[in-house]
Amino acid sequence: GQNIDQPTEMTATEGAIVQINCTYQTSGFNGLFWYQQHAGEAPTFLSYNVLDGLEEKGRFSSFLSRSKGYSYLLLKELQMKDSASYLCASPRGGSNYQLIWGAGTKLIIKP
Amino acid sequence: KAGVTQTPRYLIKTRGQQVTLSCSPISGHRSVSWYQQTPGQGLQFLFEYFSETQRNKGNFPGRFSGRQFSNSRSEMNVSTLELGDSALYLCASSLQGTVDEQFFGPGTRLTVL
Repeated sequence: GQNIDQPTEMTATEGAIVQINCTYQTSGFNGLFWYQQHAGEAPTFLSYNVLDGLEEKGRFSSFLSRSKGYSYLLLKELQMKDSASYLCASPRGGSNYQLIWGAGTKLIIKP
Repeated sequence: KAGVTQTPRYLIKTRGQQVTLSCSPISGHRSVSWYQQTPGQGLQFLFEYFSETQRNKGNFPGRFSGRQFSNSRSEMNVSTLELGDSALYLCASSLQGTVDEQFFGPGTRLTVL
């Protein structure tokens, strides 16, 4: 089957580091996406991992372990504007055309 | 470069009615995907169109349909509306499809009374 799990909500402090985890069970794995969605706004693309390892992009990094079916998004030097929902998604096994989405992790940043 | 636009932004309908939502993708993007988003459910894939052809369809009833025009603009139609259809409907465009960076529109907030 296809399943993507991520925590519902997390809280972190401004200036700190937070790691948002995503576990997936998809056959025919073909990469994992992270999107950011601010309340009342559309999702925006953050990263796409196909190979194992860490990819850094400024304050945001994304990690993938295909053998463990696990990914995380690492946010450093948290800012209040990072308060948002973070969605992970992976293509449906055997298909290049349909993404399976997690329910999203709502990240709350406190001063 | 203009982003993805969706019209209308807000819509209120009653049960049994039908509704048509419109999406204009980024210029040059041939793929348009539609999603339903409800609180706690995440994004649910409805369907994807590429060059006027439906390439894939999610697990939604036949009341949900769509089409894409030659200029890549897409419409989604929901017939015989139910209360449970109240949601944010998002469309996203990309160059190649869903396994590609997608650019989302602001969404249409549909309320069914």
